[in-house]
Amino acid sequence: QKEVEQNSGPLSVPEGAIASLNCTYSDRGSQSFFWYRQYSGKSPELIMFIYSNGDKEDGRFTAQLNKASQYVSLLIRDSQPSDSATYLCAAGDYGNNRLAFGKGNQVVVIP
Amino acid sequence: GAVVSQHPSWVICKSGTSVKIECRSLDFQATTMFWYRQFPKQSLMLMATSNEGSKATYEQGVEKDKFLINHASLTLSTLTVTSAHPEDSSFYICSASQGPARERNTIYFGEGSWLTVV
Repeated sequence: QKEVEQNSGPLSVPEGAIASLNCTYSDRGSQSFFWYRQYSGKSPELIMFIYSNGDKEDGRFTAQLNKASQYVSLLIRDSQPSDSATYLCAAGDYGNNRLAFGKGNQVVVIP
Repeated sequence: GAVVSQHPSWVICKSGTSVKIECRSLDFQATTMFWYRQFPKQSLMLMATSNEGSKATYEQGVEKDKFLINHASLTLSTLTVTSAHPEDSSFYICSASQGPARERNTIYFGEGSWLTVV
């Protein structure tokens, strides 16, 4: 059974700082990895997706994937109060887009 | 970009009744849709994979006779919660897939549907 682990508790960062989130996954067959942001009571919205080992940058966000260590991370630079949300890590198979989600990490950006 | 729409956004029903939630892909055809359930402060749990023109594939522990899924067209999947009970109260979210692809996202989530059973 696929498992995606996000073990860190709530993360509080001052505005302008870097927020770092980590995620591990159990299924070595997973080929696609996603970070979603979810505001309370809302549906998840895609922040980043990554398929290849290494870093992928998009604006203030950088995703890092290490398939050997089965590890995915997300960095949020210049954190803004609007970044305060729960961040969900997800892993999926190439081909059927069936995703397994982690429990999520709550991020609070303090003005 | 692609849009997936869910309806209703929220619904309140009496215990023992059935509720239908619709998931539509508005600007693409989705051969596969997925239904998730999310309880407060918990993550999304995949309930089932909805396949157009065939039976849905349910995850372990999800009662297929209670959560009826119909994917009659390439743009519509429905989830019916039958004989709803208060413990079925949750946030139900669908996603639709444009199909497999590398190096681009092809999964789109609906806005979610809040179900409260009283």
